[in-house]
Amino acid sequence: SQQGEEDPQALSIQEGENATMNCSYKTSINNLQWYRQNSGRGLVHLILIRSNEREKHSGRLRVTLDTSKKSSSLLITASRAADTASYFCATDPFSNDYKLSFGAGTTVTVRA
Amino acid sequence: EPEVTQTPSHQVTQMGQEVILRCVPISNHLYFYWYRQILGQKVEFLVSFYNNEISEKSEIFDDQFSVERPDGSNFTLKIRSTKLEDSAMYFCASSEDGVNYGYTFGSGTRLTVV
Repeated sequence: SQQGEEDPQALSIQEGENATMNCSYKTSINNLQWYRQNSGRGLVHLILIRSNEREKHSGRLRVTLDTSKKSSSLLITASRAADTASYFCATDPFSNDYKLSFGAGTTVTVRA
Repeated sequence: EPEVTQTPSHQVTQMGQEVILRCVPISNHLYFYWYRQILGQKVEFLVSFYNNEISEKSEIFDDQFSVERPDGSNFTLKIRSTKLEDSAMYFCASSEDGVNYGYTFGSGTRLTVV
């Protein structure tokens, strides 16, 4: 299966701290994407990292990709209460498939 | 910022009834998708649609499911005879090229089959 698997399943941090979550996947990919989902809401695209990229930044988000280990990490710096959400990695497989495979997600709670 | 719009936001239907979930993707996007998320579970791929035909479908997308793009703007998912286990959040998404850009998801339709 292509599905990404996030680790940890849940994370609770104090406002201002950094949050790091990891994603592992199984086969070759075109790209890996991170999404956020607030409770009961839709998925919001955060960042896309291509298979030939190693690191990408967007605001307070930093994503790394290690294709040799088939893993990625998402770092949220200086977390805020509004960052409380579930975070999912999704892999776009290196094939003619036209789909994303999502992991189970990491639930992040930022305490004020 | 352009949005993917889904209607209705919530639908309750009797088991065995047909439902149509509607989506308006972003106008210049070429790839369209339906995903679903059963409460507390992973987001699951249902079907992708490109150039007015299905590109790929999952095992979930059986003969009870169909998709259409009837008028060049709307993108619909039909479930012919709903089952209790079809209760889920259904998300529509679109993408500019399916590879280099992330997907834009709608807010979802919560389908409850009773």
